[in-house]
Amino acid sequence: ETGVTQSPTHLIKTRGQQVTLRCSSQSGHNTVSWYQQALGQGPQFIFQYYREEENGRGNFPPRFSGLQFPNYSSELNVNALELDDSALYLCASSTARGASTDTQYFGPGTRLTVL
Amino acid sequence: GQQVMQIPQYQHVQEGEDFTTYCNSSTTLSNIQWYKQRPGGHPVFLIQLVKSGEVKKQKRLTFQFGEAKKNSSLHITATQTTDVGTYFCAGPGGGSNYKLTFGKGTLLTVNP
Repeated sequence: ETGVTQSPTHLIKTRGQQVTLRCSSQSGHNTVSWYQQALGQGPQFIFQYYREEENGRGNFPPRFSGLQFPNYSSELNVNALELDDSALYLCASSTARGASTDTQYFGPGTRLTVL
Repeated sequence: GQQVMQIPQYQHVQEGEDFTTYCNSSTTLSNIQWYKQRPGGHPVFLIQLVKSGEVKKQKRLTFQFGEAKKNSSLHITATQTTDVGTYFCAGPGGGSNYKLTFGKGTLLTVNP
């Protein structure tokens, strides 16, 4: 176990709704990255937070937004849900500012279904 | 943009057979990471390779980083049912230091 927790485990929403997903990073980790994993695909980078600031963003529209709190936990918010947003959402924590060189410790994920 | 490709997409083997998955990047990588995701699970870090031509072993798993640092491979000797899962390679995306670009993965199934 990595010590990274996510809630909720599963979520069902309808198109147009908004959703908030939560992540608690592993103790001592100050960086959180969020990924979207569609069925049969690899994780796709959404964005990264380092010490409460967005450190980088992937090719996702602005309706995907996030927050990181002083205790380094994080939220992913998605507005105006679309059917294609159905996926497993993974958060990963790490100790360094920069996911490309640091081990990513993934949480169990939140399975989002948009109807 | 940078692409990370993996082949094969699927591999089914008999228990005891060897397995290899290959990872190719469209750009030179500063490092490459490998992750394993069990069915219904989440990616778990296996290893990171940094040096050109580097070879690392973990029990029955052998990881290799190409001389040009644009390709990598994972070889499993004498597969076991516990090896079942999807193996992903991941590298720095587009020259950034914050983004990991994952391949689509290779799903390994093992027949006991």
